[in-house]
Amino acid sequence: AQSVTQLGSHVSVSEGALVLLRCNYSSSVPPYLFWYVQYPNQGLQLLLKYTTGATLVKGINGFEAEFKKSETSFHLTKPSAHMSDAAEYFCAVSVPASGGYNKLIFGAGTRLAVHP
Amino acid sequence: EPEVTQTPSHQVTQMGQEVILRCVPISNHLYFYWYRQILGQKVEFLVSFYNNEISEKSEIFDDQFSVERPDGSNFTLKIRSTKLEDSAMYFCASSEAWTGRDGYTFGSGTRLTVV
Repeated sequence: AQSVTQLGSHVSVSEGALVLLRCNYSSSVPPYLFWYVQYPNQGLQLLLKYTTGATLVKGINGFEAEFKKSETSFHLTKPSAHMSDAAEYFCAVSVPASGGYNKLIFGAGTRLAVHP
Repeated sequence: EPEVTQTPSHQVTQMGQEVILRCVPISNHLYFYWYRQILGQKVEFLVSFYNNEISEKSEIFDDQFSVERPDGSNFTLKIRSTKLEDSAMYFCASSEAWTGRDGYTFGSGTRLTVV
């Protein structure tokens, strides 16, 4: 069964430090992978996605992620954290569903805290 | 940029009452979804919908839940008799392609509180 695992439910970094949020997936077919961000009391905003082509994808707010098939990983990084990056981050994979169309399944989320 | 619109943003209801959560997906999207997020927990798939039919539903989506697209623009989630454990944030989403390769666009959610 397809699944998404996010290592670390909480990550804390200093402002200006590297952000690394880990995501591993399992999928029986080539995956479409996504990162979403959720700010407090808000909805889910797409940060970036990987479908095909270049394995390093760039998203909004300076984030990027690299698809590594051999490691079944799609880790999210940002070179320099900003206070405004504090939020919950969800990795997700689009997987075949029983109805013949795909659905999105989410990891458990990683709460990123940024301290001065 | 096109948006998925959800109303209301907050709803408080008494246990046993019916609620209808409303969503307006992006106009050229064909695939629609409802997700649920209980406070502090992960986002869970409830149901997918295409061509006026449910494509797939999760174990959470029992007989108390129903979805419909009544008028070609709105996409609604009805909970017939709410329970305390239905308290959660409910997200509507839509996608253009059946694979989701162009992404899934989410609404800002409806926070449902059952008292």
